[in-house]
Amino acid sequence: QVQLQESGPGLVKPSEILSLTCNVSGDSIRSYYWSWIRQPPGKGLQWIGSIHYSGSTNYNPSLQSRLTLFLDTSKSQISLKLNSVTAADTAMYYCARDIHRLSTSWFDPWGQGVLVTVSS
Amino acid sequence: DIQMTQSPSSLSASLGDRVTITCRASQSISTSLNWYQQKPGKAPKFLIYSASSLQSGVPSRFSGSGSGTDFTLTISSLQAEDFATYYCQQSYNSPWTFGQGTKVEIK
Repeated sequence: QVQLQESGPGLVKPSEILSLTCNVSGDSIRSYYWSWIRQPPGKGLQWIGSIHYSGSTNYNPSLQSRLTLFLDTSKSQISLKLNSVTAADTAMYYCARDIHRLSTSWFDPWGQGVLVTVSS
Repeated sequence: DIQMTQSPSSLSASLGDRVTITCRASQSISTSLNWYQQKPGKAPKFLIYSASSLQSGVPSRFSGSGSGTDFTLTISSLQAEDFATYYCQQSYNSPWTFGQGTKVEIK
């Protein structure tokens, strides 16, 4: 059974880089797409972007200019870097397996999430 | 981006009640609609894909329907463990987008 575990610093200063890692266990990282999704405190869900082991990426246009996703198959890790963060990037960040079937897709399962606060 | 709008934003219901949540897309998304359940302090849990297909292990009291722009999630008989926030999500066009959520509370 696949399990995902996010990690990263809980506090990032404004204008700095937010870096997060998601460790995948119980399944091959090569078999699926993998996505990051975030949720500001008390608010709804926003899809950030996805990556496939082939190197293919798909970013939310609202974050694309600041975002990089990459994948390390040797460590079974997916990583996120978000540049020039502001308070608006404060959120719980989740990684999720991104399952594609025919013409549709969904996120399952999700990691437990990591809370990132942007503050000086 | 495709906008997803859920109604109501919250509802109060009793154990055993039938509960219906609506999700509307800003354009036709065929049946590319998923539902998730989120309990406080937990990650979302995947429930339904392609508008009406139940994920393995999800209780049969959950059902989904709809196509085009209008969709519903129904809980036929509300159980204690169903009190949570529910989100719809479209998988028709990137960027994938979610509804704002519907919180189901105890009456």
